[in-house]
Amino acid sequence: QKEVEQNSGPLSVPEGAIASLNCTYSDRGSQSFFWYRQYSGKSPELIMFIYSNGDKEDGRFTAQLNKASQYVSLLIRDSQPSDSATYLCAGGDGGSQGNLIFGKGTKLSVKP
Amino acid sequence: SAVISQKPSRDICQRGTSLTIQCQVDSQVTMMFWYRQQPGQSLTLIATANQGSEATYESGFVIDKFPISRPNLTFSTLTVSNMSPEDSSIYLCSVGAQIYNEQFFGPGTRLTVL
Repeated sequence: QKEVEQNSGPLSVPEGAIASLNCTYSDRGSQSFFWYRQYSGKSPELIMFIYSNGDKEDGRFTAQLNKASQYVSLLIRDSQPSDSATYLCAGGDGGSQGNLIFGKGTKLSVKP
Repeated sequence: SAVISQKPSRDICQRGTSLTIQCQVDSQVTMMFWYRQQPGQSLTLIATANQGSEATYESGFVIDKFPISRPNLTFSTLTVSNMSPEDSSIYLCSVGAQIYNEQFFGPGTRLTVL
């Protein structure tokens, strides 16, 4: 059974701090990994994807991938109250149809 | 990324009836997917909608309950048949990009079954 696991939280950080969100996956065939942000009552929005070992930075967001440890993380620097949302980690299932396997999500709360 | 719309945005239905949800994309896409998100839960893939052939269903989902159409590369429908309160959920369509398999989601359809 291919799985993506996340700590459901809630994760609470003060405004301006670094939020660290973590994810592990079971399928070594997964090549690409995705972070989605989902505000309450809204659909998921893709914020980052990564497919190579190491770090990928985009503005305040840094995605990190360690394939040997089957570990993916998302760092949010200078966290803002507007970052408060549920963050979903997803991995490609390695198949030809491009299916994604989603974790259950981590709820992040950024306190002013 | 593509602009994706869904209709209806929400509906309240009676037990035993069926509802068809439409997903429209503003550009041609090869891969379209249908997901269910139950309250407080993550996303569960129902099926992949294939243009010109039958949809590919995930374990636990069957065509009789969730028939899918994909008549062209910009449009798909999902029908939730013979509904029960357990079908109350948000139904989301997504489209896939072919390079890294990233997916982009429509706004969702919030279904309540009484």
